[in-house]
Amino acid sequence: DAGVIQSPRHEVTEMGQEVTLRCKPISGHNSLFWYRQTMMRGLELLIYFNNNVPIDDSGMPEDRFSAKMPNASFSTLKIQPSEPRDSAVYFCASRGVSGNTIYFGEGSWLTVV
Amino acid sequence: GEDVEQSLFLSVREGDSSVINCTYTDSSSTYLYWYKQEPGAGLQLLTYIFSNMDMKQDQRLTVLLNKKDKHLSLRIADTQTGDSAIYFCKTGGSYIPTFGRGTSLIVHP
Repeated sequence: DAGVIQSPRHEVTEMGQEVTLRCKPISGHNSLFWYRQTMMRGLELLIYFNNNVPIDDSGMPEDRFSAKMPNASFSTLKIQPSEPRDSAVYFCASRGVSGNTIYFGEGSWLTVV
Repeated sequence: GEDVEQSLFLSVREGDSSVINCTYTDSSSTYLYWYKQEPGAGLQLLTYIFSNMDMKQDQRLTVLLNKKDKHLSLRIADTQTGDSAIYFCKTGGSYIPTFGRGTSLIVHP
């Protein structure tokens, strides 16, 4: 099994630039989650999709953040414009229809300078 | 919303037992989980316990559940340096998964 695939694995960008993070969930999974992990705040849920529809985006920090899921096999998390405080590891995770186990990608390590 | 609380750090000597604790507020969880995050990687399911059990053993791992006190613990026997990681407690009652902040386990020789 391929698992959850995220890209890029590492990104360093300048403040003000647009950042797009990508995720391919496990085939057949119908729930997708975007998390952010920092030392200060731990693991935070940003947004949750079910059957490609955003169900809960209350964790999205502000309007600079947006997420889309145009189909069952692809999602993006966009930050525009990026700021240094956005530096973190961003994880995508997916879950199957009948399961409770969440499967995580390896993460996208973002540094905004 | 639901709360899941864990201590942030635990330091143990190699060969000793480690006990990582978690308290939670949601009593409707059917399963409770422990995830492990190794350096530079995502979280992976380590073990879980069904809510009608009070103990589950899996090789060096023992999960204890006190449902009355809403307390979950993970015991690692004979802790090795390879066990150094962040351990997350997760409840499963809500459709939206709730993770604790994670406990960093530091194993020193």
